[in-house]
Amino acid sequence: ILNVEQSPQSLHVQEGDSTNFTCSFPSSNFYALHWYRWETAKSPEALFVMTLNGDEKKKGRISATLNTKEGYSYLYIKGSQPEDSATYLCASSNGGYQKVTFGIGTKLQVIP
Amino acid sequence: EAGVTQFPSHSVIEKGQTVTLRCDPISGHDNLYWYRRVMGKEIKFLLHFVKESKQDESGMPNNRFLAERTGGTYSTLKVQPAELEDSGVYFCASRQTGFGYEQYFGPGTRLTVT
Repeated sequence: ILNVEQSPQSLHVQEGDSTNFTCSFPSSNFYALHWYRWETAKSPEALFVMTLNGDEKKKGRISATLNTKEGYSYLYIKGSQPEDSATYLCASSNGGYQKVTFGIGTKLQVIP
Repeated sequence: EAGVTQFPSHSVIEKGQTVTLRCDPISGHDNLYWYRRVMGKEIKFLLHFVKESKQDESGMPNNRFLAERTGGTYSTLKVQPAELEDSGVYFCASRQTGFGYEQYFGPGTRLTVT
């Protein structure tokens, strides 16, 4: 994998449902993996930065896992709420922290 | 603590004109990054400053784009002359030096070239 790929690109879920998204990234020279939550016209909000294989991080109802050997990360949202509606961006930095490569994002819409 | 700020929030200019975007990073953050998101595409890296020095400018599209960071504080990104394909949202981010520190993003400047 040469780029950061996210799937699905968009997702509609009912309020209360749990959901997850996938991020695939280059595993060579891996340095760090980032998840951001972004609402249009606002600053992307940093959710997690993960660096170690097997890392699991949690913030409220949102959690993420990291597999650096196979180059993927999952983001989980438990009991989705309408305020979770946003675009979730994954980004990878490889070979140092000079720059971050973003995926296209997963746009989540939670239907009340 | 104030976050990353960007000015203006929106700019509409005609093809051939010049526009200058400004970014004020979080105080004390030596690293400053510029990114651009074209509609429907991923956010793409433009360049990285460490203090006033350009560490990596490999993402700058062409020589119509000029970034500066005077005194290692705020940064400007000038587009001269602007072309239609320059339209998009320009994000700035800043970060402390060191392993594991997060990048903090500004709200972006939405540039429309008509």
